[in-house]
Amino acid sequence: EPEVTQTPSHQVTQMGQEVILRCVPISNHLYFYWYRQILGQKVEFLVSFYNNEISEKSEIFDDQFSVERPDGSNFTLKIRSTKLEDSAMYFCASSEGITGNSSGYTFGSGTRLTVV
Amino acid sequence: GQNIDQPTEMTATEGAIVQINCTYQTSGFNGLFWYQQHAGEAPTFLSYNVLDGLEEKGRFSSFLSRSKGYSYLLLKELQMKDSASYLCAWDYNTDKLIFGTGTRLQVFP
Repeated sequence: EPEVTQTPSHQVTQMGQEVILRCVPISNHLYFYWYRQILGQKVEFLVSFYNNEISEKSEIFDDQFSVERPDGSNFTLKIRSTKLEDSAMYFCASSEGITGNSSGYTFGSGTRLTVV
Repeated sequence: GQNIDQPTEMTATEGAIVQINCTYQTSGFNGLFWYQQHAGEAPTFLSYNVLDGLEEKGRFSSFLSRSKGYSYLLLKELQMKDSASYLCAWDYNTDKLIFGTGTRLQVFP
């Protein structure tokens, strides 16, 4: 079964450092997303991406965050200067088209980011 | 508003039936998803409802009433492996999912 792949599975970084989280969405999917989940809290939407541009972003997705699809397979989330409160599990997701089909979004297994 | 409410925790016995409710107060509704999430893992898709009524898929069923802003997930013949969090998520304008806080279900022998 096709899956969304995320690397690394766990990253520890010092406050103020830049991190790049990587994702390989399912190959025929067109819509890509980043979500995050702070420990013990709900999954929160960060950003959606389609046709090489951001289609929507949340209040969390401020100027410290950026996304990129550098080639035909990877989708990255960059945090420019990490803060302690950025510590969370970051999930990449992709979907074949606009939702309304029954398969929904496929989530990757996540990257646990710990900022120290 | 974009509120989604579901109970925080539920417990049930192996072999039993459990119903997890979700209410939402939203505009821009395009459907409702249920996901299962084991601790430390990614959410996995369980069901999707866009029309009123019941969708059945094996041991799991999901119901939606758009007029009442209400959905439930029904789990039958509970197994120990069903112990997980169950996330209600609303599809907002096809651009993103708005998640509830999740219901942590514990199944006891």
